Amino acid sequence: AQSVTQLGSHVSVSEGALVLLRCNYSSSVPPYLFWYVQYPNQGLQLLLKYTSAATLVKGINGFEAEFKKSETSFHLTKPSAHMSDAAEYFCAVSDGDGTSYGKLTFGQGTILTVHP
Amino acid sequence: DTEVTQTPKHLVMGMTNKKSLKCEQHMGHRAMYWYKQKAKKPPELMFVYSYEKLSINESVPSRFSPECPNSSLLNLHLHALQPEDSALYLCASSHRQGYQSGELFFGEGSRLTVL
Repeated sequence: AQSVTQLGSHVSVSEGALVLLRCNYSSSVPPYLFWYVQYPNQGLQLLLKYTSAATLVKGINGFEAEFKKSETSFHLTKPSAHMSDAAEYFCAVSDGDGTSYGKLTFGQGTILTVHP
Repeated sequence: DTEVTQTPKHLVMGMTNKKSLKCEQHMGHRAMYWYKQKAKKPPELMFVYSYEKLSINESVPSRFSPECPNSSLLNLHLHALQPEDSALYLCASSHRQGYQSGELFFGEGSRLTVL
């Protein structure tokens, strides 16, 4: 079964600092991997997705993630944090094989706090 | 702005009430989902509809009854709920590739409180 582990339930950075949110996955097949963001009292929004086309994936709001098969990792980064980045971030993996339903499994989430 | 619209945004109900949550999307997606999210937890899948037919039921109690009247609408009928059912209920939709890969478009959710 597929699973993801997010290291660190809370991450705090200063405005302008590097953001690094860690995610490791477990999958028996080439995975689909995602980062979703959830702002307070809102639904989830897709930040970026990995579907095997390229190992470095660029998403919205300046975020990017690198798929490293050897490390089974898909860490999310942003060079310079902005106050508006404060939110909860979920890494997710799908067990889809491209032909039938792929169930999305979420990590436990990482709350990002940005200090002025 | 989200393209998946959920109503109501907030709902308070007693354990004997019957209420419904509604979800609408106009992106032409043929897969729609209900997720439940407890505080400080990730979303948990409840139901999946594909082409207006229920394809996945994650062993959800019968006090939750989903309905998909057409390709744009998804309802969740609630009856005889328990206080532990209080949560944020998220609707999502996906195109065919998203159904296979897990790329979902979420609404802002309906926050339910059961007294």
